[in-house]
Amino acid sequence: KAGVTQTPRYLIKTRGQQVTLSCSPISGHRSVSWYQQTPGQGLQFLFEYFSETQRNKGNFPGRFSGRQFSNSRSEMNVSTLELGDSALYLCASSSGRSEAFFGQGTRLTVV
Amino acid sequence: DAKTTQPTSMDCAEGRAANLPCNHSTISGNEYVYWYRQIHSQGPQYIIHGLKNNETNEMASLIITEDRKSSTLILPHATLRDTAVYYCIVRVATEGNQFYFGTGTSLTVIP
Repeated sequence: KAGVTQTPRYLIKTRGQQVTLSCSPISGHRSVSWYQQTPGQGLQFLFEYFSETQRNKGNFPGRFSGRQFSNSRSEMNVSTLELGDSALYLCASSSGRSEAFFGQGTRLTVV
Repeated sequence: DAKTTQPTSMDCAEGRAANLPCNHSTISGNEYVYWYRQIHSQGPQYIIHGLKNNETNEMASLIITEDRKSSTLILPHATLRDTAVYYCIVRVATEGNQFYFGTGTSLTVIP
């Protein structure tokens, strides 16, 4: 069974631009969550999607948004990028009520 | 918010058992204890979880005290590949695919 796939693995963007990251969950998993990891703040929960609906949301500004498609694939978008958005962005998929499985992440650098 | 307290760092000799403690004194009756680990710049890897009984799988054992206020993750025969940051998380299993990570314990396995 394939694991969680995130694309791209690395990305460099300029301040003010927007970016879209993609996550393909494990087959059969309907829940996808997104996390941001920075050296200063650690691993922080962004939001969760389940059956194309946002189910939970962390404490991030509205510049961070996401969506989920009918095949459970999810995208995360960050608009008007700031230098502080440089981070490792991780997604995790889950079958519902138990453990979550993480992808390898997308390393975003904002210059 | 993270509801757990873990030592910042620990060392373990290769081949010996690594015992990683976690305090969760405010844990609720319906909250599970989960353990994840993260090897540098990779996505977190699920290790094990439990409610009140001790659990064992191919990776590790989880020992939860009778009052559930603390737990210990045991890696029975640590190898160099077990060097990672280990996160102890408490959560309600039904609250969706969201995990609140603390700062974790940085385990270094020494040859």
